[in-house]
Amino acid sequence: DQQVKQNSPSLSVQEGRISILNCDYTNSMFDYFLWYKKYPAEGPTFLISISSIKDKNEDGRFTVFLNKSAKHLSLHIVPSQPGDSAVYFCAGAGGTSYGKLTFGQGTILTVHP
Amino acid sequence: EAQVTQNPRYLITVTGKKLTVTCSQNMNHEYMSWYRQDPGLGLRQIYYSMNVEVTDKGDVPEGYKVSRKEKRNFPLILESPSPNQTSLYFCASSWSGINQPQHFGDGTRLSIL
Repeated sequence: DQQVKQNSPSLSVQEGRISILNCDYTNSMFDYFLWYKKYPAEGPTFLISISSIKDKNEDGRFTVFLNKSAKHLSLHIVPSQPGDSAVYFCAGAGGTSYGKLTFGQGTILTVHP
Repeated sequence: EAQVTQNPRYLITVTGKKLTVTCSQNMNHEYMSWYRQDPGLGLRQIYYSMNVEVTDKGDVPEGYKVSRKEKRNFPLILESPSPNQTSLYFCASSWSGINQPQHFGDGTRLSIL
């Protein structure tokens, strides 16, 4: 039972355009969400997070939107740069524990120069 | 330099031969966790530890053991490895839980023949 789903295995965009990565979740207990980025041969690195008390969080070129009623979040990258090419994982957590974290399958983003 | 160190980075072994993957962090973090990454499945949490002597199961704990006898170390033990445990493993740590950015190690690629 995949509680966090990233239905697009890959996304290709042109440099300077917007990248939108999507994520759906089924566990209504989740109240905290994160995005991690992963380059080949490296461990994931934290990108941005959002609590369920907000519907938007912004950090530079990265913005995460949360739609609780639809159980959907998205990551917007504007403008996209070739260095953003990586695998992006969304993850959810919540309920009684902030120790357990459930990731999605990941989306491979390729930004073409 | 703040880091999470995993050893070994690569290991090929045979079914049933006990192995341990070590993980050490130098940031005095309370929280540590183990994940495995598999194609099409993304990252899945194996075990986590909120503090010394406190460990709990993630989503895929079967076949694995952990211990947290001291704050900096969180080894992952495969008592009787099987081929379905062939995977890329990541250790991570953060100050207090998943609601803080986790620092990941560079990964351990295990092949169980």
